[in-house]
Amino acid sequence: RKEVEQDPGPFNVPEGATVAFNCTYSNSASQSFFWYRQDCRKEPKLLMSVYSSGNEDGRFTAQLNRASQYISLLIRDSKLSDSATYLCVVNIINAGNNRKLIWGLGTSLAVNP
Amino acid sequence: DGGITQSPKYLFRKEGQNVTLSCEQNLNHDAMYWYRQDPGQGLRLIYYSQIVNDFQKGDIAEGYSVSREKKESFPLTVTSAQKNPTAFYLCASSIRDRGPNTGELFFGEGSRLTVL
Repeated sequence: RKEVEQDPGPFNVPEGATVAFNCTYSNSASQSFFWYRQDCRKEPKLLMSVYSSGNEDGRFTAQLNRASQYISLLIRDSKLSDSATYLCVVNIINAGNNRKLIWGLGTSLAVNP
Repeated sequence: DGGITQSPKYLFRKEGQNVTLSCEQNLNHDAMYWYRQDPGQGLRLIYYSQIVNDFQKGDIAEGYSVSREKKESFPLTVTSAQKNPTAFYLCASSIRDRGPNTGELFFGEGSRLTVL
């Protein structure tokens, strides 16, 4: 089982739609969780961290479910500019007691006019 | 403007040649990282450095080498020993010890290497 797994996508939605992505992680000791956005052939950029109580940033809502070991990203009122790949990232502590980031493959979103 | 600059953006090389990718940052970050991204794979860490003159192997360091002689610079050499060097290479930086904790990495625009 991969350490971080995401919905394969692609998601094709009309403008104004609400869309949700899920991400599951295998390491129960995972400590921190993040969503990055990556535009086609560009570098990833941090979208938001995911806090235990859930958090919202404008049209974006991130939630964490530790018991089921998944995080989610909800995008409301989709815009054309939201079209991108969304990467789920999990922070773990490895065998050497070092923190490292594990990256998901990403879920592709296309918002259509 | 502060940021990370990678060069070149695109690079073609023949098999068996060493290649050096440049990464420079003016964010005053202590930590710097090199990742590669391949289709069907998440980002994988090649090398990282938390401080000048020190660096650590990541998950896929074989066939790569780095140096960290200056805080601003963290060049990556892809050697002929790297079996599958064609990939998208991303350099990142963070405030020391905060990158893996906060997830806040700042990436350069990447270098796309194709080995013919």
